[in-house]
Amino acid sequence: RKEVEQDPGPFNVPEGATVAFNCTYSNSASQSFFWYRQDCRKEPKLLMSVYSSGNEDGRFTAQLNRASQYISLLIRDSKLSDSATYLCAVREGYQKVTFGTGTKLQVIP
Amino acid sequence: AAGVIQSPRHLIKEKRETATLKCYPIPRHDTVYWYQQGPGQDPQFLISFYEKMQSDKGSIPDRFSAQQFSDYHSELNMSSLELGDSALYFCASSLAGTGGSYNSPLHFGNGTRLTVT
Repeated sequence: RKEVEQDPGPFNVPEGATVAFNCTYSNSASQSFFWYRQDCRKEPKLLMSVYSSGNEDGRFTAQLNRASQYISLLIRDSKLSDSATYLCAVREGYQKVTFGTGTKLQVIP
Repeated sequence: AAGVIQSPRHLIKEKRETATLKCYPIPRHDTVYWYQQGPGQDPQFLISFYEKMQSDKGSIPDRFSAQQFSDYHSELNMSSLELGDSALYFCASSLAGTGGSYNSPLHFGNGTRLTVT
């Protein structure tokens, strides 16, 4: 079993829709959590950190459920420009950050 | 704002050759990470350095080595290259700080695309 798992998708959603992704992690001692966005053949770019109480940045909301060991990302009012692969990342110790396999999102006009 | 700089952007090598990838972290960042991403794969953690000392090791082959220098730049050396080494190699940096910060995110460079023929 992979340490960090995501549904690979693709998620095909119409513009304006709300879409949610989950990411599960296996190490209960994981310390911190992030969502990244990656466009084809480009570097991952930080979308947002995930805080224990949940946090929001514009149309994006991230939540952490330590009891069930998952994090989630909610995107409201999807835009065409949101089409990308969304990677969750988990810091398991002091240094190592492990990425999930990514969830591909395609927003359709 | 200054970002992570990687060089070269593209590299073509033949089997059994050697390659060296360079990474210049964001100024004042004290931690450098190396990741390998194959086609359709997630980034795989290779190795990290904190304050010029190796801090963690992932799935890095014995044929690869890395180090971080006094100016904080890092190099990934890859020897006896194999076809399967063809991938995108990303360097990332973060600021852990003296107290250690579990929450500091990674910031990635543009990557080096290595093709082994």
